[in-house]
Amino acid sequence: GNSVTQMEGPVTLSEEAFLTINCTYTATGYPSLFWYVQYPGEGLQLLLKATKADDKGSNKGFEATYRKETTSFHLEKGSVQVSDSAVYFCALSPQVSGTYKYIFGTGTRLKVLA
Amino acid sequence: SQTIHQWPATLVQPVGSPLSLECTVEGTSNPNLYWYRQAAGRGLQLLFYSVGIGQISSEVPQNLSASRPQDRQFILSSKKLLLSDSGFYLCAWDGGGDTQYFGPGTRLTVL
Repeated sequence: GNSVTQMEGPVTLSEEAFLTINCTYTATGYPSLFWYVQYPGEGLQLLLKATKADDKGSNKGFEATYRKETTSFHLEKGSVQVSDSAVYFCALSPQVSGTYKYIFGTGTRLKVLA
Repeated sequence: SQTIHQWPATLVQPVGSPLSLECTVEGTSNPNLYWYRQAAGRGLQLLFYSVGIGQISSEVPQNLSASRPQDRQFILSSKKLLLSDSGFYLCAWDGGGDTQYFGPGTRLTVL
């Protein structure tokens, strides 16, 4: 079946540090891959996505590359800010009967210290 | 542009009481609609989804039910809440593409 595995959190970094949050997936076919971010007390916001192998999604300094050979979609940012503190969710979207029933990872909490 | 609303934002209910959470989408028609639950410190669990008025699919058998009385309205209900129903409830929509857009959520505490 389909599944998404994210690294356990919390991840604590100093401001301007390099960020990597690992995400690997298991899926049949060619799913779309997503990163969502959840700030405290809020819903999920789409951060970036990639729809096919070797695509790179990017937004707000974050980026992730769809790696089919390693079934991975790791999230990276070169220099984090305190405002990046949030929970990050990796997800995949296999098309099932015309709807897109996402499979989410368990989320990784990021805390950035000034 | 499309927007999604959820209310109430927070809710505290006693065990055994009924529940009704509402989600509405503006700026689109015939969306696919989804209800998720996020328990404390855990990931998202898909509860229900709907591809049209009156069409509901349940992902996890439980104490909850969903209804879609209008094209852009999705309601989550319970007749008798349990302690384990506490969590953060998120509604989402998509327009048939592969990207879901989430509402602000409702935090439910059952005491």
